[in-house]
Amino acid sequence: EVQLLESGGGLVQPGGSLRLSCAASRFTFSRYAMSWVRQAPGKGLEWVSVINDSGGTTYYADSVKGRFTISRDNSKNTLYLQMNSLRGEDTAVYYCAKDPDGGPGGYFDYWGQGALVTVSS
Amino acid sequence: EIVLTQSPGTLSLSPGERATLSCRASQSVGSNSLAWYQQKPGQAPRLLIYGASSRATGIPDRFSGSGSGTDFTLTISRLEPEDFAVYHCQQYGGSLSFGGGTKVEIQ
Repeated sequence: EVQLLESGGGLVQPGGSLRLSCAASRFTFSRYAMSWVRQAPGKGLEWVSVINDSGGTTYYADSVKGRFTISRDNSKNTLYLQMNSLRGEDTAVYYCAKDPDGGPGGYFDYWGQGALVTVSS
Repeated sequence: EIVLTQSPGTLSLSPGERATLSCRASQSVGSNSLAWYQQKPGQAPRLLIYGASSRATGIPDRFSGSGSGTDFTLTISRLEPEDFAVYHCQQYGGSLSFGGGTKVEIQ
């Protein structure tokens, strides 16, 4: 079955940076769009960003636009999220999630277990 | 941006009962592009329904989705003990967005 494993979470000070990774296996990674979705403690889900199968098209939520960058390395079957200028409101569990096809902007048929990012001084 | 409102916030029911969860959109969701997810404490969400009414692989037929336009419903025909969880709706007809969730708890 599809496996998605996030890494790179942790504690960071406000204004700092962090890069999350999501290692994908057991499916042909390069054929599918991928997203990051986050969940603040005790809150609902918030879509963050999506990248299409080739990496040539990306979209961002307004709350992270200009601060976060999504990317992928299809040769390594890995998705990334570079997070800069972090704020307290970015504290959340970050999930990587697989789209059902190559174009961005669909639903999510598989999810990783999540990586906790805590922004605090 | 399409805003999704889920109701009720919490649903208290007993095993064997029927659960009806609502997801209302601030504007029409194109092509019935609505999905439902189940999330248990400490776990990632799991896809239940996509396209408003299509069950995902491996999802029991006690789960069903319906609706169109701005009003969508997830129905669990007879609650099993493992169904007590939080349920999220998501629209993908425009810029992606989620509802606030409905918690189904044991009465």
